[in-house]
Amino acid sequence: DVVLTQSPLSLSVTLGQPASISCRSSQSLVHRGGDTFISWIHQRPGQSPRRLIYKVSIRDSGVPDRFSGSGSVTDFTLKISRVEAEDVGVYYCIQNTDRPFTFGQGTKLDIK
Amino acid sequence: EVELVESGGGLVHPGESLRLSCATSGFNFVRYWMTWARQAPGKGLEWVATTTQDGSEKYYVDSVKGRFTISRDNAKNSVFLQMNSLRVEDSAVYFCVREFWGPDQWGQGTRVTVSS
Repeated sequence: DVVLTQSPLSLSVTLGQPASISCRSSQSLVHRGGDTFISWIHQRPGQSPRRLIYKVSIRDSGVPDRFSGSGSVTDFTLKISRVEAEDVGVYYCIQNTDRPFTFGQGTKLDIK
Repeated sequence: EVELVESGGGLVHPGESLRLSCATSGFNFVRYWMTWARQAPGKGLEWVATTTQDGSEKYYVDSVKGRFTISRDNAKNSVFLQMNSLRVEDSAVYFCVREFWGPDQWGQGTRVTVSS
């Protein structure tokens, strides 16, 4: 099974400052068709998850442009250019390239 | 507006069964793979099962193979998860998820508690 390792596992950020979360895969996430199926999910406390980014770097509709995704093959990053109060919660990467689909452990972000 | 509404959760004893349902609206259901994911109390997210658009292919995480069955009714825009031989470690909030290049829409979840 593909293992996704996120770092850091917790992040305390001052409002307006940037944040970055890494997601490393135990194997290549390039699908035989050429796409790379890694997504980023945000879950606020007590709420359902919401997807922010798919296929490495494509923002979902309505997601602020302060969120960006990058990376390739086994190393991926979610960046928030300027953290806002509503960004608190847990961020997960998930891969859909290989079954079983797998999630990272999650990174908890709070405001310093 | 896309909506996914889960139901069917509850408190059961180990070894018992539950059937979860997910009623969807606001999109063309037959065009999408559908997934069940879960989150144990205080823990992270775990993918459980996925079905293709016509239900002909189904995929499961190893820990539920042989015990859980995912199915769908395209006429009713619904997806189901039959859970048999439930274990304490199956206790979680179960989410219904639409797949579009990954898990793009999530329901609010239904809680399953397995306890003696």
